[in-house]
Amino acid sequence: KAGVTQTPRYLIKTRGQQVTLSCSPISGHRSVSWYQQTPGQGLQFLFEYFSETQRNKGNFPGRFSGRQFSNSRSEMNVSTLELGDSALYLCASSYIAGVSYNEQFFGPGTRLTVL
Amino acid sequence: GQQVMQIPQYQHVQEGEDFTTYCNSSTTLSNIQWYKQRPGGHPVFLIQLVKSGEVKKQKRLTFQFGEAKKNSSLHITATQTTDVGTYFCAGNAGNNRKLIWGLGTSLAVNP
Repeated sequence: KAGVTQTPRYLIKTRGQQVTLSCSPISGHRSVSWYQQTPGQGLQFLFEYFSETQRNKGNFPGRFSGRQFSNSRSEMNVSTLELGDSALYLCASSYIAGVSYNEQFFGPGTRLTVL
Repeated sequence: GQQVMQIPQYQHVQEGEDFTTYCNSSTTLSNIQWYKQRPGGHPVFLIQLVKSGEVKKQKRLTFQFGEAKKNSSLHITATQTTDVGTYFCAGNAGNNRKLIWGLGTSLAVNP
């Protein structure tokens, strides 16, 4: 199976702009989670989508939003970019079955730089 | 809120030395997962523990889940340069599917 893919891999934007990142999960995985990673801050959870519905949300401002399509592909959008939004944005997919907790498979990430 | 503390934050070892990272949760966890992220890479799943007191081994890596399901450890015997990276623990509390992540332990191995 192909792994999780994310596009674009690198992005440079200026303050005030908006950006859309895309994630294609592993075939058959219906759960997609998004994380922000900055040096020293670990993985900060943004949100999780399952079957086109946001199931969990982290503590990020409303400028960060996402959605999931019927084919499980997901996008996240950041509006009115700030310098502090510069980070590696990781997408992870998971196969959800019953009440079991399954591992997350991460994509390579999108490196966003805000100037 | 629910937190998972991971220590140490950084560790430098000589190749061949042992290494241990610890994870402590403020709440009882349903499971604990461990991931490794190589420099410039993305996190890769290593293992999941779900039972109280569970111990699992993968070659030189030994994973433990505490009896109270509030702490966990990862021990690497005789580190190699290929072990370099950041090790993260993450767990679920109750039926909540949102993973609670530790901040990671960055391991550097001097050859």
